[in-house]
Amino acid sequence: SYELTQPPSVSVSPGQTARITCSGDALPKQYAYWYQQKPGQAPVLVIYKDSERPSGIPERFSGSSSGTTVTLTISGVQAEDEADYYCQSADSSGTHVVFGGGTKLTVL
Amino acid sequence: EVQLVESGGGLVQPGGSLRLSCAASGFTFSTYTMSWVRQAPGKGLEWVSAISGSGGSTYYADSVKGRFTISRDSSKNKLYLQMNSLRAEDTAVYYCAKVGLLVIAAAGSLDYWGQGTLVTVSS
Repeated sequence: SYELTQPPSVSVSPGQTARITCSGDALPKQYAYWYQQKPGQAPVLVIYKDSERPSGIPERFSGSSSGTTVTLTISGVQAEDEADYYCQSADSSGTHVVFGGGTKLTVL
Repeated sequence: EVQLVESGGGLVQPGGSLRLSCAASGFTFSTYTMSWVRQAPGKGLEWVSAISGSGGSTYYADSVKGRFTISRDSSKNKLYLQMNSLRAEDTAVYYCAKVGLLVIAAAGSLDYWGQGTLVTVSS
């Protein structure tokens, strides 16, 4: 079955830049999406179609894509950005949606 | 304002059945593909199933195919998940989510989520 691979954890100090990667063989053919989830809350979409930002999401959140890897970048990280982040995409047919294992972002 | 409210979760014995509902409001329900996503305690997100706006196309994760059935009633603005032959590993919070920008089949952004309903499978 198709899988997306994320690092389990990333740590940064406030004001620094955090980069979270997501790798998958079908990423050149399917868009990637990123979600932020804080404890006890439902996930929130922060990036769609690899690099688009929904309204209401701060400009410090950005996304990029290169080959089989997509990257979520958070510039000028703030304490409130501490959360779990999940990438999501689909297999090449689009019939199976898949999430990455999630990355815990710790703000030191 | 888009709202998604799940209900129907609870405690069920292994091998049992449960039907989850998701009441949708604030958008034209019949236009959008809808999904179910679950999260086991302390674990990551797992996509479960999706259904097209018309209800004519359905998609399932391999882990639930043949046991779960997704459906919708656009006259009631409701999404359902019928879960049969439940196993301990089905224990999770189940979220319904609206697919915002559908790309192909079930693939697209999940732009709105409910707060989830907890399903516990245990004897």
